[in-house]
Amino acid sequence: DQQVKQNSPSLSVQEGRISILNCDYTNSMFDYFLWYKKYPAEGPTFLISISSIKDKNEDGRFTVFLNKSAKHLSLHIVPSQPGDSAVYFCAASGASSNTGKLIFGQGTTLQVKP
Amino acid sequence: NAGVTQTPKFQVLKTGQSMTLQCAQDMNHEYMSWYRQDPGMGLRLIHYSVGAGITDQGEVPNGYNVSRSTTEDFPLRLLSAAPSQTSVYFCASRLYRVGTYEQYFGPGTRLTVT
Repeated sequence: DQQVKQNSPSLSVQEGRISILNCDYTNSMFDYFLWYKKYPAEGPTFLISISSIKDKNEDGRFTVFLNKSAKHLSLHIVPSQPGDSAVYFCAASGASSNTGKLIFGQGTTLQVKP
Repeated sequence: NAGVTQTPKFQVLKTGQSMTLQCAQDMNHEYMSWYRQDPGMGLRLIHYSVGAGITDQGEVPNGYNVSRSTTEDFPLRLLSAAPSQTSVYFCASRLYRVGTYEQYFGPGTRLTVT
């Protein structure tokens, strides 16, 4: 049972426009969410996170929105740049899991066209 | 700091062979984990450790063994490789603190089992 789902395998946007990547989760015990970015032949790198006590967190061009009632989060990239082309993974963790295990989604491949 | 390092970068095994994937970190992180990445499956947790001498299973532990004798090292052993273990393997580490979830990933090991 996939507890964290990214239903769009790929997304293509024009440079300068907004990229919106979506993620859904099923476990209401998750209380912390992260986005990771991955380039080919490299390990994932942390991008931005949000706690369940917030509904928005912003860091430069990147903003993550959390809708707890819908069990949905999204990552907005504005403006999108060609260097943003990568695979993006959302991940979730629950405080009840004191080991802090991260459960990852399947990933969305973002292509930003110049 | 070198961060999280993994060796080898690439490996080809025959079915039934054994090998150890090495992982080391120099950030004095208590928490270390192993993930595998497969197309359409995202990152799945294999095993994790919250400190030297303490390990536990993740989502997909079958066919893999781990041990943690030092804070720095967390090797992953495949006792009898199977084609289903063809994957990219990532090691990650983080501080083991309440409210700390961001993990740092190594560059990965690409394993092919024929």
